[in-house]
Amino acid sequence: DQQVKQNSPSLSVQEGRISILNCDYTNSMFDYFLWYKKYPAEGPTFLISISSIKDKNEDGRFTVFLNKSAKHLSLHIVPSQPGDSAVYFCGGDNSGNTPLVFGKGTRLSVIA
Amino acid sequence: DTGVSQDPRHKITKRGQNVTFRCDPISEHNRLYWYRQTLGQGPEFLTYFQNEAQLEKSRLLSDRFSAERPKGSFSTLEIQRTEQGDSAMYLCASSRPDRPETQYFGPGTRLLVL
Repeated sequence: DQQVKQNSPSLSVQEGRISILNCDYTNSMFDYFLWYKKYPAEGPTFLISISSIKDKNEDGRFTVFLNKSAKHLSLHIVPSQPGDSAVYFCGGDNSGNTPLVFGKGTRLSVIA
Repeated sequence: DTGVSQDPRHKITKRGQNVTFRCDPISEHNRLYWYRQTLGQGPEFLTYFQNEAQLEKSRLLSDRFSAERPKGSFSTLEIQRTEQGDSAMYLCASSRPDRPETQYFGPGTRLLVL
């Protein structure tokens, strides 16, 4: 039972263009969603989050969109930079009251 | 404000040996979490503490796994009688009392069981 799904294992984008990473969830109790970025041999780094009371949250080049009716969220990175190349994990939980559940990740490659 | 630290960063052991990993959370973070990550998967929740209380441990993978946080500061994760299937990255994370939903991860301990 995969509560959080990242259906694209990998994504390749040209430097300067927009990267869009997608995530779907099935657990209706999730009310908080987070994106983490992970480089090889390092722990995940918190990137951006969104509460279910919002449909958009922006932080610099990163924007997360939430569509509750579709149980879908997406992370937009614009403009993409080579340093953004990493694995991105989407996670959801219930305001910290339940364990954070992650998807399997999407490997983003930004090509110069 | 130092981040979450984990020790050791790498551990190679023989099957059947016991191993113990340590995690030091960000100071003043009251919650501490342990995860396991295997290749091609996202982090998988194992257990967590709020201060010294272990609030969830049913997700520990077997009774060979145990965790402690005796003084509500650092935590240890022990795996007894290691098996080759225990080879993975073990991640620790912590969160603030006022923002429990946002977890900050350490660099992880990579375990290889031969």
